[in-house]
Amino acid sequence: DSGVTQTPKHLITATGQRVTLRCSPRSGDLSVYWYQQSLDQGLQFLIQYYNGEERAKGNILERFSAQQFPDLHSELNLSSLELGDSALYFCASSVGVSQGEGEQFFGPGTRLTVL
Amino acid sequence: GDSVTQMEGPVTLSEEAFLTINCTYTATGYPSLFWYVQYPGEGLQLLLKATKADDKGSNKGFEATYRKETTSFHLEKGSVQVSDSAVYFCALPGGGNKLTFGTGTQLKVEL
Repeated sequence: DSGVTQTPKHLITATGQRVTLRCSPRSGDLSVYWYQQSLDQGLQFLIQYYNGEERAKGNILERFSAQQFPDLHSELNLSSLELGDSALYFCASSVGVSQGEGEQFFGPGTRLTVL
Repeated sequence: GDSVTQMEGPVTLSEEAFLTINCTYTATGYPSLFWYVQYPGEGLQLLLKATKADDKGSNKGFEATYRKETTSFHLEKGSVQVSDSAVYFCALPGGGNKLTFGTGTQLKVEL
């Protein structure tokens, strides 16, 4: 158990809908990262928050947004969903800001299926 | 930009066989290098890391040596077990705070 929790585990929805994925980082970790894992694109970094502020953006679509709240939990919002958004979405956390320095701890993921 | 290339899987081995999963990278300077492992149905977890050239990372019988001459960070284990069946990802920090992963190599170990 990494200490990172993600809800829900599974999500099935229809095209055009909007969903929210939730992540609670390990106790004491200030950075939260979101990743998308799909068969065709592999594991892709989406976005990072550190202590409530956006710190880095990766391959995140404009239809997707995220935020980190004062209690450090984070939410990833996916809107106008398309079939191609079906994937595993992972949240990870770390103590510091830089991904290059320390270990990231991954949650178990949310499997999103868009029908 | 920074990138990681891993050998394609799946790799199928018998228990107690020797394992090598190749990883090469392209990066500016000498970043830290990581191997992450993803067991079935779980998130990724750090397996080992090396923070500078010639460092050897090791954990759970796995080893990888940071070779700047060949820009490689190959993962090895002398004797694999069925419980090692998983997907292995080589990774490095990319531009800014981005962590760049290889495509992953699936390992299946059979009795």
